[in-house]
Amino acid sequence: AQTVTQSQPEMSVQEAETVTLSCTYDTSESDYYLFWYKQPPSRQMILVIRQEAYKQQNATENRFSVNFQKAAKSFSLKISDSQLGDAAMYFCAYRAGGTSYGKLTFGQGTILTVHP
Amino acid sequence: DVKVTQSSRYLVKRTGEKVFLECVQDMDHENMFWYRQDPGLGLRLIYFSYDVKMKEKGDIPEGYSVSREKKERFSLILESASTNQTSMYLCASSPYPTGGGEKLFFGSGTQLSVL
Repeated sequence: AQTVTQSQPEMSVQEAETVTLSCTYDTSESDYYLFWYKQPPSRQMILVIRQEAYKQQNATENRFSVNFQKAAKSFSLKISDSQLGDAAMYFCAYRAGGTSYGKLTFGQGTILTVHP
Repeated sequence: DVKVTQSSRYLVKRTGEKVFLECVQDMDHENMFWYRQDPGLGLRLIYFSYDVKMKEKGDIPEGYSVSREKKERFSLILESASTNQTSMYLCASSPYPTGGGEKLFFGSGTQLSVL
């Protein structure tokens, strides 16, 4: 079975600084997708960024970027120019390829605090 | 915007009660999901459905059942609630994906306490 591990229960960053959240996963599949979701206090999960395993180029979405190391099975999220609105719980998630639509395996989550 | 609505934000039930958690989406999505969220465990998939009348077990289906009589509505049922089912329940939906890497749309969750 696939597993996703977030080893940082909590992280903090100063406003305008950069922070990196770690995620490792374990799978024997070659075709899969990786995601970072954000859960603010409103509790509604929001997709931040996604990465297809077959793509070597790291995904980026504005201030959010990933460092995808396929051989090491590592998928970290970098948030640049952190803003107060980035404060939330962040979840790393994995989905196998094929027809496993929406069947995600989530990590434990990392609470991010942003200090003004 | 896609909206996934869960009927209750907070719910308190007694052990042994039958509990219904309702979820409705307004974007004609084919796929719907129920996850539970627990501290230190993240989210875990309970049940999912790729079409009306269709349901499949996720990773932790024990003690739960589901119903999908209409495309927009996906109900989670706790036949006899137990204290270990105290949790946050999150519903999600997604369209049939094109090109893989689909996006899930989540509701705001129901915090269920079983006493």
